[in-house]
Amino acid sequence: NAGVTQTPKFQVLKTGQSMTLQCAQDMNHNSMYWYRQDPGMGLRLIYYSASEGTTDKGEVPNGYNVSRLNKREFSLRLESAAPSQTSVYFCATTTGTGSSPLHFGNGTRLTVT
Amino acid sequence: QKEVEQNSGPLSVPEGAIASLNCTYSDRGSQSFFWYRQYSGKSPELIMSIYSNGDKEDGRFTAQLNKASQYVSLLIRDSQPSDSATYLCAVNLPGGGADGLTFGKGTHLIIQP
Repeated sequence: NAGVTQTPKFQVLKTGQSMTLQCAQDMNHNSMYWYRQDPGMGLRLIYYSASEGTTDKGEVPNGYNVSRLNKREFSLRLESAAPSQTSVYFCATTTGTGSSPLHFGNGTRLTVT
Repeated sequence: QKEVEQNSGPLSVPEGAIASLNCTYSDRGSQSFFWYRQYSGKSPELIMSIYSNGDKEDGRFTAQLNKASQYVSLLIRDSQPSDSATYLCAVNLPGGGADGLTFGKGTHLIIQP
């Protein structure tokens, strides 16, 4: 039982390159989230998916796209990476009720040069 | 706009003493409150959740909630060096579980041996 699995763990991109961050969960949770964490800024929500087939913007969606491929998988795509997107990215899941905590993956550390 | 405020620290506490971490939130309708611990380079892990006014104890950890004052705190008794980490306060709205949690920027706690 892996919980929430993110790939890759580390990535270095050059400005303008594209990539997709993958997230898969085996917790049978409905809701999935992508956060970024920057020093001094805390965790900020990029996009979320309340259920399979739906996605919504969070606090900082610009420069990103997402796909909820099925109930298990939620991917985050950077179409044209910028240095400002250097960050640690966390995928998280929850059952979707207002009282449920988030469960996090191990994170992807992305550097854009 | 939902805001969650924490003192960034560092908060330095002698081993064996009580560490007190505080958090205030702006949305009076918030109903679910969580404390996460995050070690350097790792993902946040849930340590406490609290939903009603008062105290909730779990081992060496006690969460305290005062909705009237919009204040939630975490006490760590008999602090150990392994408690040194960043502690994140997170808040959710009733019925708004699908749009994730709002996080404070975290308090860096250092337990001095």
